[in-house]
Amino acid sequence: NAGVTQTPKFQVLKTGQSMTLQCAQDMNHNSMYWYRQDPGMGLRLIYYSASEGTTDKGEVPNGYNVSRLNKREFSLRLESAAPSQTSVYFCASSRGDSFTDTQYFGPGTRLTVL
Amino acid sequence: AQSVTQLGSHVSVSEGALVLLRCNYSSSVPPYLFWYVQYPNQGLQLLLKYTSAATLVKGINGFEAEFKKSETSFHLTKPSAHMSDAAEYFCAVIKGETSYDKVIFGPGTSLSVIP
Repeated sequence: NAGVTQTPKFQVLKTGQSMTLQCAQDMNHNSMYWYRQDPGMGLRLIYYSASEGTTDKGEVPNGYNVSRLNKREFSLRLESAAPSQTSVYFCASSRGDSFTDTQYFGPGTRLTVL
Repeated sequence: AQSVTQLGSHVSVSEGALVLLRCNYSSSVPPYLFWYVQYPNQGLQLLLKYTSAATLVKGINGFEAEFKKSETSFHLTKPSAHMSDAAEYFCAVIKGETSYDKVIFGPGTSLSVIP
């Protein structure tokens, strides 16, 4: 039981490049989330998916797109990376469709945009 | 709308001493409140959560938090710090009035434990 896995662990991009961050969970959870973590700011929600086939914007969605490929996988895409997107990105999942449910987090992807 | 503040971005305690990490929220309605812990180079994991069932909430690893409506606080405590408690701690609150509203996280408090 791996829980929530994220790939890659580290990535360096040049401004304007694109990339997709992958996330998968093996807990049969309904909801999945993408957060970014910046120093002194806690976590901020980018997008979330309450069920397969649905996605909704969070607090900071600009510059990102997501895909809920199936119940297990939820990817985050940066179409044209900018230095402001340098951050640590966390994927999480929860059993139900409510934010009161316990969220289980992956180990994170550290992204640097030059 | 909810917000959450954590007083003290860095807290240092001696091994065996009391741990007190502060969290205050702004709300006009009873909130859902959480404490998460992040160990170095890892994702967050839930320590405990308040859902109005009891004001004193016990969590994992000997931590507990008390909901005080009059003070709009949800401080995290542990009677005796252990070296393994060194980590970043985040308080979080559900934004809005229903559980379908989104969770927002505080800026975090880094806990150091001195041997």
